Amino acid sequence: EAGVTQFPSHSVIEKGQTVTLRCDPISGHDNLYWYRRVMGKEIKFLLHFVKESKQDESGMPNNRFLAERTGGTYSTLKVQPAELEDSGVYFCASSTRLLAGGQETQYFGPGTRLLVL
Amino acid sequence: AQSVAQPEDQVNVAEGNPLTVKCTYSVSGNPYLFWYVQYPNRGLQFLLKYITGDNLVKGSYGFEAEFNKSQTSFHLKKPSALVSDSALYFCAVRDSLKAAGNKLTFGGGTRVLVKP
Repeated sequence: EAGVTQFPSHSVIEKGQTVTLRCDPISGHDNLYWYRRVMGKEIKFLLHFVKESKQDESGMPNNRFLAERTGGTYSTLKVQPAELEDSGVYFCASSTRLLAGGQETQYFGPGTRLLVL
Repeated sequence: AQSVAQPEDQVNVAEGNPLTVKCTYSVSGNPYLFWYVQYPNRGLQFLLKYITGDNLVKGSYGFEAEFNKSQTSFHLKKPSALVSDSALYFCAVRDSLKAAGNKLTFGGGTRVLVKP
């Protein structure tokens, strides 16, 4: 079974440009999450999809970030326009349908390393 | 609010010696606790989790963790460390309360260096 995949693995862009990150979850996983680790700090939650619906977007830092999951399969995270402080590693994770109390394991992708110059 | 603390930025241990990586947490409800490992240039790999039941949880690669409710801790352990265990380890918690959502809250990570 293929794991969570993310594209690209690395992206270097200039401040003000736009970048789109893609995540393909494990097949059949309804839950998809975005996290990021900025400047070697803690990994922080960004948002959570259940199929194509945004269940929780409390971690999105501002309106320069737009996440979509059309059709409930893969997801994209667009940063427009990118700022220097957006540099970091963006992780995607997926899990099966929520069990009682949300006990399922989230499986992470390899991450996209974003550098904004 | 939920939070996790990993008090050690780095742990150094000689190969063959016991390895312990510390983690303490804070949640409003009951904790669901997870350990992940990140090898160089790789993503986060799931090691083990505690949901309920036996306080000692066994996971991948010979790792185990002990849930201690009174001390709000979930320390990761391995009886005999290998050089290949050198990596970055993350502890994470999810609050059982439905209002907390399904998000994981991570500690800052602990770098483990196992020397031959």
